Amino acid sequence: GNSVTQMEGPVTLSEEAFLTINCTYTATGYPSLFWYVQYPGEGLQLLLKATKADDKGSNKGFEATYRKETTSFHLEKGSVQVSDSAVYFCALSPYNFNKFYFGSGTKLNVKP
Amino acid sequence: DTGVSQDPRHKITKRGQNVTFRCDPISEHNRLYWYRQTLGQGPEFLTYFQNEAQLEKSRLLSDRFSAERPKGSFSTLEIQRTEQGDSAMYLCASIEGRPGSTDTQYFGPGTRLTVL
Repeated sequence: GNSVTQMEGPVTLSEEAFLTINCTYTATGYPSLFWYVQYPGEGLQLLLKATKADDKGSNKGFEATYRKETTSFHLEKGSVQVSDSAVYFCALSPYNFNKFYFGSGTKLNVKP
Repeated sequence: DTGVSQDPRHKITKRGQNVTFRCDPISEHNRLYWYRQTLGQGPEFLTYFQNEAQLEKSRLLSDRFSAERPKGSFSTLEIQRTEQGDSAMYLCASIEGRPGSTDTQYFGPGTRLTVL
């Protein structure tokens, strides 16, 4: 089947710290992988995506690399800001964006 | 482009009542998705439309749930004989879905359902 597992939160970091949020997946075929972010009081929005193995998605200083051998898509940022405080969701789409599977979300708190 | 809109934003109902939610996707987006999200969880896929055709349905979508997109524009999600377990946030999303488009999924703000 298809599923996404991501690390439980909350994750609390000081400003300018390095961030890693782990995400692993199980999928049939060759899925596309995504990270979505939900800022407080707002709807989900796409942060980055990768559609094939070894692709790196990046946006707003965040990066994630599609690792087929480890079935992982970990989210990283070198220096977090208070404004990065949000809930982050890892997701996959098995084929042709017909269906999406989301992880349970990881809440990030960044302290000044 | 005003984004994906959903109506109502909040709905409180009594167990056993029927409720209907509406989603207006971004204009000319031909793919539309419904999700359910409970507290502390990620969105769970319910169903997907390509224009007016409903192409995927989750096993989560019991017989009490029905979704339509009659003209390929707005969509409705109806829950009949609501149960307390139906209490959740119902999210709608759309994708342009045309060759050469970005396939970015845009989410609406959601409708929060509370079943008493």
